[in-house]
Amino acid sequence: GQNIDQPTEMTATEGAIVQINCTYQTSGFNGLFWYQQHAGEAPTFLSYNVLDGLEEKGRFSSFLSRSKGYSYLLLKELQMKDSASYLCAVRSYGNKLVFGAGTILRVKS
Amino acid sequence: DADVTQTPRNRITKTGKRIMLECSQTKGHDRMYWYRQDPGLGLRLIYYSFDVKDINKGEISDGYSVSRQAQAKFSLSLESAIPNQTALYFCATSRVNEQFFGPGTRLTVL
Repeated sequence: GQNIDQPTEMTATEGAIVQINCTYQTSGFNGLFWYQQHAGEAPTFLSYNVLDGLEEKGRFSSFLSRSKGYSYLLLKELQMKDSASYLCAVRSYGNKLVFGAGTILRVKS
Repeated sequence: DADVTQTPRNRITKTGKRIMLECSQTKGHDRMYWYRQDPGLGLRLIYYSFDVKDINKGEISDGYSVSRQAQAKFSLSLESAIPNQTALYFCATSRVNEQFFGPGTRLTVL
């Protein structure tokens, strides 16, 4: 079976750094994705990890440890527009994505 | 122009009605997907298709059917809608890794 856990909600201050964790248990692993979704909108791709380590893309970074079934998304220099839901998704063999329930991030001034 | 489009964007229907949600893409991707999103449950895969002749059930296919009319078109049908199918429905496409999502269809079944 598949199980993906991430915190339901987080709050952080504008300009700060926030880390959103994701732990997973899957029957196969072929990559981990992070998506951002603003309320009422479609999810948009943020990052993809298939090997252990850190992937950096501007203010956003994503880390993966396959042995621990663990990933995190790091957002630096938070802006108000970063207030959104962040979805962790694991791809198993067969190219299907299984999504976590998402973490709602609220950025306050 | 949007690369992945969905019609309708909003639909209210009654229990027992047949409903079709349509998805079109101009990205030239072979892979297409249908998801539903419910509060607190995240996105769940209903059906997916890796090419025109390939249709696969996802996590929650009961009560749904799909048709892949062409590489660019993938439609989702609810043969007899029921209230617990009220949700936000997303179509997505991909080539290999990243999935691109349409704007969503908000369906309400009364």
